[in-house]
Amino acid sequence: EAQVTQNPRYLITVTGKKLTVTCSQNMNHEYMSWYRQDPGLGLRQIYYSMNVEVTDKGDVPEGYKVSRKEKRNFPLILESPSPNQTSLYFCASRRSSEGNQPQHFGDGTRLSIL
Amino acid sequence: DAKTTQPNSMESNEEEPVHLPCNHSTISGTDYIHWYRQLPSQGPEYVIHGLTSNVNNRMASLAIAEDRKSSTLILHRATLRDAAVYYCILRVGGTSYGKLTFGQGTILTVHP
Repeated sequence: EAQVTQNPRYLITVTGKKLTVTCSQNMNHEYMSWYRQDPGLGLRQIYYSMNVEVTDKGDVPEGYKVSRKEKRNFPLILESPSPNQTSLYFCASRRSSEGNQPQHFGDGTRLSIL
Repeated sequence: DAKTTQPNSMESNEEEPVHLPCNHSTISGTDYIHWYRQLPSQGPEYVIHGLTSNVNNRMASLAIAEDRKSSTLILHRATLRDAAVYYCILRVGGTSYGKLTFGQGTILTVHP
């Protein structure tokens, strides 16, 4: 089954403790991205990657890092999490960055930073 | 991305058709109209997209006004599983780095 898998689905942690949210897709997609969803603000893009070793900032990249060493994986790294990064996070992928192919989203990771 | 305007919420009864409107008066000639939906506790899900002509797929139909300043997503027979937030999004054709700019969407409630 074609899917985008995120782990963990839920995480409660404390300020300053580094964490990584993994994202993996099995569709051989070139393009992957991370969004965060907050009440009243909708979904906002954090980072995106057009292919292996090619990443760039989205609209709200501060406090986050990403890497794209393999096509299928696109982890989101919070080096020193803070409470304002408490949010619902979604990873997404699509075949390429061009055209109008559908984006496929994971089921989300709910992070709580205390 | 150009802006879209959708009603905050709509209600429907099960097995009845639902017409979800979207206004996009500043749309440009190369903007595609995309619809996604987000079911409770899930990530957004692609529904349909189009440029000028009406489009149909297994999930829904998309009716685009002749001047392209508005569009309507049509669910032909609503089911309880269609209760979700529906997002109307405009995307520039060609390379735009894949970003989707989500607005607040329309919360669809389906009554049994």
